[in-house]
Amino acid sequence: GQNIDQPTEMTATEGAIVQINCTYQTSGFNGLFWYQQHAGEAPTFLSYNVLDGLEEKGRFSSFLSRSKGYSYLLLKELQMKDSASYLCAVKDSNYQLIWGAGTKLIIKP
Amino acid sequence: GAVVSQHPSWVICKSGTSVKIECRSLDFQATTMFWYRQFPKQSLMLMATSNEGSKATYEQGVEKDKFLINHASLTLSTLTVTSAHPEDSSFYICSAQGLAGESDTQYFGPGTRLTVL
Repeated sequence: GQNIDQPTEMTATEGAIVQINCTYQTSGFNGLFWYQQHAGEAPTFLSYNVLDGLEEKGRFSSFLSRSKGYSYLLLKELQMKDSASYLCAVKDSNYQLIWGAGTKLIIKP
Repeated sequence: GAVVSQHPSWVICKSGTSVKIECRSLDFQATTMFWYRQFPKQSLMLMATSNEGSKATYEQGVEKDKFLINHASLTLSTLTVTSAHPEDSSFYICSAQGLAGESDTQYFGPGTRLTVL
């Protein structure tokens, strides 16, 4: 079966750095996505990785290792507004998006 | 770029009535649109995938006669919840994918909160 694992919940302090991990086992791979979803709102696109390595976008970076079936989202200089759920999703060989259950990130002052 | 709108943002209806939700890609052509449902504190659940001009593909367990999807143009898809019941109360979110921004990326609308009394 297809599976995406990410921690259910994480807590971090304002101004700090946090890394949210995602491991996946899918039938084929055509890219990995990270989305942010605030409570009661729809997801917003953060990043897309299809090749190994690190993609940096301001305070957010996403890393991919296809051989390990592993990705992480790194958030720097955390702000209170970063409190949200972070969803990892992988596009499989049929170009279907397989969603993780999301990681709820709680930022404390 | 890559803006998706959804209308209405919330709706309250009586049991047995039908509700139509619109999803529009405002600044790009969406070759594929997706409809999701999300219950409180739960994951996104894909309901169906639709391509412009063809019938939608429904996920297992989703009743196609109850959730009618029309994708009449490259910028508009509609979801009609027919004969709605309280258990259909949920957050319905559409997403669109096409020639916008990063290819193969789904961009989400703001969602529609449906409450069936």
